[in-house]
Amino acid sequence: SYELTQPPSVSVSPGQTASITCSGHKLGNEYACWYQQKPGQSPMLVIYQDTKRPSGIPERFSGSNSGDTATLTISGTQAMDEADYYCQAWGTTTAAVFGGGTKLTVL
Amino acid sequence: QVQLVESGGGVVQPGRSLRLSCAASGFTFTTYAMHWVRQAPGKGLEWVAVISYDGSDEYYPASVRGRFTISRDNSKNMVFLQMNSLRPEDTAVYFCARDGQLRTQRPTFFDYWGQGSLVTVSS
Repeated sequence: SYELTQPPSVSVSPGQTASITCSGHKLGNEYACWYQQKPGQSPMLVIYQDTKRPSGIPERFSGSNSGDTATLTISGTQAMDEADYYCQAWGTTTAAVFGGGTKLTVL
Repeated sequence: QVQLVESGGGVVQPGRSLRLSCAASGFTFTTYAMHWVRQAPGKGLEWVAVISYDGSDEYYPASVRGRFTISRDNSKNMVFLQMNSLRPEDTAVYFCARDGQLRTQRPTFFDYWGQGSLVTVSS
């Protein structure tokens, strides 16, 4: 079965740029998306189809996907961005696959 | 606005069954595939099932295939998850989620999520 790998944790200083990676075999041939989940809340879509932002998601969130790696980038990271982030892939298969999640700490 | 409200969770013994429900509102239900996604305590997200917008296709991961069944009632804007032969490892919060693409037959991404319903499998 297809697997997506994320780093367990990423730390960033306020105002700096955070990058969270998601690796999978030929992931660039699939679509990648990203979810933010804060404690006690449901996940929220922040990036879909590699680079698109849903309505209401700040411009500081951006995404890319090429080769074996998709990346979520948060520019000018704010304290409110501290959360767990999950990547997910879809495309040619009949299954939805999530990465293991990355805890973003803003310190 | 889009709303998804799950119900039916609770404590159940191993080997028993449970049925979750999800009431959808705020969008044209009949044009979207619907999913169930679960999250074990302190763990990550796991996709559990999808049903196409017209109910003609269903897909499951190996971990639940043959034990769980997803269904929908388009006349009532409801989606269900019938869970049989439950195991302790099925303990999780179960989220109902809308597929992000119109009229898709396969999973894509999840643009709206419910608040979740906790299922605990324990003797």
